[in-house]
Amino acid sequence: EPEVTQTPSHQVTQMGQEVILRCVPISNHLYFYWYRQILGQKVEFLVSFYNNEISEKSEIFDDQFSVERPDGSNFTLKIRSTKLEDSAMYFCASSVRWAPLGNEQFFGPGTRLTVL
Amino acid sequence: KQEVTQIPAALSVPEGENLVLNCSFTDSAIYNLQWFRQDPGKGLTSLLLIQSSQREQTSGRLNASLDKSSGRSTLYIAASQPGDSATYLCAPLQGGSEKLVFGKGTKLTVNP
Repeated sequence: EPEVTQTPSHQVTQMGQEVILRCVPISNHLYFYWYRQILGQKVEFLVSFYNNEISEKSEIFDDQFSVERPDGSNFTLKIRSTKLEDSAMYFCASSVRWAPLGNEQFFGPGTRLTVL
Repeated sequence: KQEVTQIPAALSVPEGENLVLNCSFTDSAIYNLQWFRQDPGKGLTSLLLIQSSQREQTSGRLNASLDKSSGRSTLYIAASQPGDSATYLCAPLQGGSEKLVFGKGTKLTVNP
């Protein structure tokens, strides 16, 4: 069964460093998302992406964050200068069509980011 | 702003029991609602998606109901098994948006 994959599973970085989290969405999916979950807290939406553009972003997704689909399969989240409070589990998700039309969002296993 | 509450926060039951997990949301303008399970330190597994026009959706031993006007959804698990032990999250898809809004979840433990 097709699934969303994410690499690495765990990333440790120093404060102020740039990190890139990678995702491979399900192959026929067109809509892509990033969410994060700080330990012990709710899963929070960061950004949605379609047709090589950001379609929606939350207030968390500030200028330190960017997303890209560099090729036909990968979807990346870049954090330019990491802060301690960026430590969280980051989840990538994808859906076949625009989610409001009724398609499920399928989530990857997550990347645990630890900022020291 | 949509707020999602899940009650109870934790639930421990003996194997074989039928159980109900509750989810309430403050803004009824939703497109649909997904139920997920999350195992410790793992990703989110989609269990069911229920459209705003539907009242119920079933998958195996799981049955989700949705009462959009009252801002409630329930997940019914029949004949619970130890393998059902996980945290269950509900997430309505906000109207006019593409974002799922999550509750904190119900941590279920099914004891053999």
